Amino acid sequence: DAGVTQSPTHLIKTRGQQVTLRCSPISGHKSVSWYQQVLGQGPQFIFQYYEKEERGRGNFPDRFSARQFPNYSSELNVNALLLGDSALYLCASSLEGAGGVTGETQYFGPGTRLLVL
Amino acid sequence: GIQVEQSPPDLILQEGANSTLRCNFSDSVNNLQWFHQNPWGQLINLFYIPSGTKQNGRLSATTVATERYSLLYISSSQTTDSGVYFCAVRPPFGNEKLTFGTGTRLTIIP
Repeated sequence: DAGVTQSPTHLIKTRGQQVTLRCSPISGHKSVSWYQQVLGQGPQFIFQYYEKEERGRGNFPDRFSARQFPNYSSELNVNALLLGDSALYLCASSLEGAGGVTGETQYFGPGTRLLVL
Repeated sequence: GIQVEQSPPDLILQEGANSTLRCNFSDSVNNLQWFHQNPWGQLINLFYIPSGTKQNGRLSATTVATERYSLLYISSSQTTDSGVYFCAVRPPFGNEKLTFGTGTRLTIIP
């Protein structure tokens, strides 16, 4: 079975540009979450989406936005890139979010490494 | 929000040694996962263990939910065990956000 996939694997942008990262969840998973991991730290929660609705948002500026499509894939957009946005962006999928089911195992994709120059 | 602390921050061991990694958390959880992050950044699921004990080969984990800690045991370490180990938790309310600890960097020397 295919795991969580993300594209692209690597990306180089300059300050002020915009970037779109993509994620496809495990088949059957309806919940997608995005995390940012800067060097030397643990991943930090950015967003969670379920059935195309935002279910949670971390402490990130409005330059960060996301959406989920009918096939449950998701995009993360970051506008007006700053040097500090350089990080590994991770996507996770899970079964949770449906019918009160929560706390299920989350599975992570390989990530997208973003470098902002 | 919930706080997660991992210890030790760094661990250097000889191949074949055993190790114990600890995760302390500040509130009740209904999800606790242990991950191994490889050098390429992939977070590999090791255990989903909000309570109880599980074993998978040379690895085992125990979570004592009432005392708010979890332990990851690695026996007969191999060089491929090197990497960063993260504990992540979710409280039993709110969205599905996982809060990660700062990790334990494990280095296994041949």
